[in-house]
Amino acid sequence: EVQLVESGGGLVQPGGSLRLSCAVSGFTFSNYWMTWVRQAPGKGLEWVANIKEDGSEKYYVDSVKGRFTISRDNAKNSLYLQMNSLRAEDTAVYYCARGTWGPRYWGQGTLVTVSS
Amino acid sequence: DVVMTQSPLSLPVTLGQPASISCRSSQSLVYSDGDTYLNWFQQRPGQSPRRLIYKVSNRDSGVPDRFSGSGSGTDFTLKISRVEAEDVGVYYCMQGTHWPRTFGQGTKVEIK
Repeated sequence: EVQLVESGGGLVQPGGSLRLSCAVSGFTFSNYWMTWVRQAPGKGLEWVANIKEDGSEKYYVDSVKGRFTISRDNAKNSLYLQMNSLRAEDTAVYYCARGTWGPRYWGQGTLVTVSS
Repeated sequence: DVVMTQSPLSLPVTLGQPASISCRSSQSLVYSDGDTYLNWFQQRPGQSPRRLIYKVSNRDSGVPDRFSGSGSGTDFTLKISRVEAEDVGVYYCMQGTHWPRTFGQGTKVEIK
């Protein structure tokens, strides 16, 4: 069974940092692009970042470029999102998902709240 | 960026009746490999998104056959042949052809 489990969310002050993790199981992690998508409270879905199977290509939405870094550890079956210089508008549930053309499997999400 | 425009944004439907959601993209979604990476997702209240349709018209396993996708180029449609109570939620189209990936605004389906 494919499983994706996010962790690392929480309350952080504006300007602070947070690192999200996504632990996967049930499939060969190193064979898939991976995605982070976020959803602000009561809002729609926003694609955040993608990383290629071997980590050699990374793509970001403009609003997080230079502040967020996507990475992966294929030996640990884990995906990460390092978030720096956090802003109030980064408040959202962050989902990790498998694939890039149209993610098939999603985690349950982890809530990030940026507030003083 | 490719803008995905859904309509309507709210769709009240009678149980057992059909429903249709339109999604238009600001650029063609045909990729260089010839495929069109247009997806439909369902998000039920309090749940993670679930992919229903990929590459315009391919239904994911476990998705009821009352859901169907169609379209080409820049114009796409999700149809529910007979709405059931469990179909309540928000539906999103998403393009996977261009960077950055983008979603439509979402269409809220509710029962009249």
